[in-house]
Amino acid sequence: GAVVSQHPSWVICKSGTSVKIECRSLDFQATTMFWYRQFPKQSLMLMATSNEGSKATYEQGVEKDKFLINHASLTLSTLTVTSAHPEDSSFYICSAVDGQGYGYTFGSGTRLTVV
Amino acid sequence: AQSVTQLDSHVSVSEGTPVLLRCNYSSSYSPSLFWYVQHPNKGLQLLLKYTSAATLVKGINGFEAEFKKSETSFHLTKPSAHMSDAAEYFCVVSDYTGRRALTFGSGTRLQVQP
Repeated sequence: GAVVSQHPSWVICKSGTSVKIECRSLDFQATTMFWYRQFPKQSLMLMATSNEGSKATYEQGVEKDKFLINHASLTLSTLTVTSAHPEDSSFYICSAVDGQGYGYTFGSGTRLTVV
Repeated sequence: AQSVTQLDSHVSVSEGTPVLLRCNYSSSYSPSLFWYVQHPNKGLQLLLKYTSAATLVKGINGFEAEFKKSETSFHLTKPSAHMSDAAEYFCVVSDYTGRRALTFGSGTRLQVQP
């Protein structure tokens, strides 16, 4: 089946620094990837949709200059949290969609803690 | 527009008893519906999905769900709960194209008492 690898699984960073999270589809080409954020004891909220080779589409209320998304190839999308602040601490999960019948596949998530 | 409502934020059952997690959906088109499970600090695991084939969908670990269009429901059931079933469960809807992002319900936390 389809596998999506997400790294790192957890990261602690200082306030004001930037953090990059990678999401790779290992055995299929992901034309579309989604980034979600999950606050403690809450559901997943869509942040943005990225399509290979084009600009990401951000959901209302998500700052595109703060959450930079790059989908440069069919197997890799990255989310960079710029100038991170404690309120950005959350669980970030990516999801990839393939065109070969696997549907949606989720990464294992990244726990970001900003101190 | 599409949405899902999970009717219970917490469900507690005894080990060996049946599980019922309730979900109602709203969609402008024929939806695809999913149930995902999330264990603490872990990613999401697909339990089962409905994509307009059989209305009774069997998933992994003994779970199943029935799509009822007249009731706009997609409840998740399991005949006998196991301690390892304790987790957060999400009912999820996607539109008919399968290309748009998934919309998640608020989640139901399942507790299994010994």
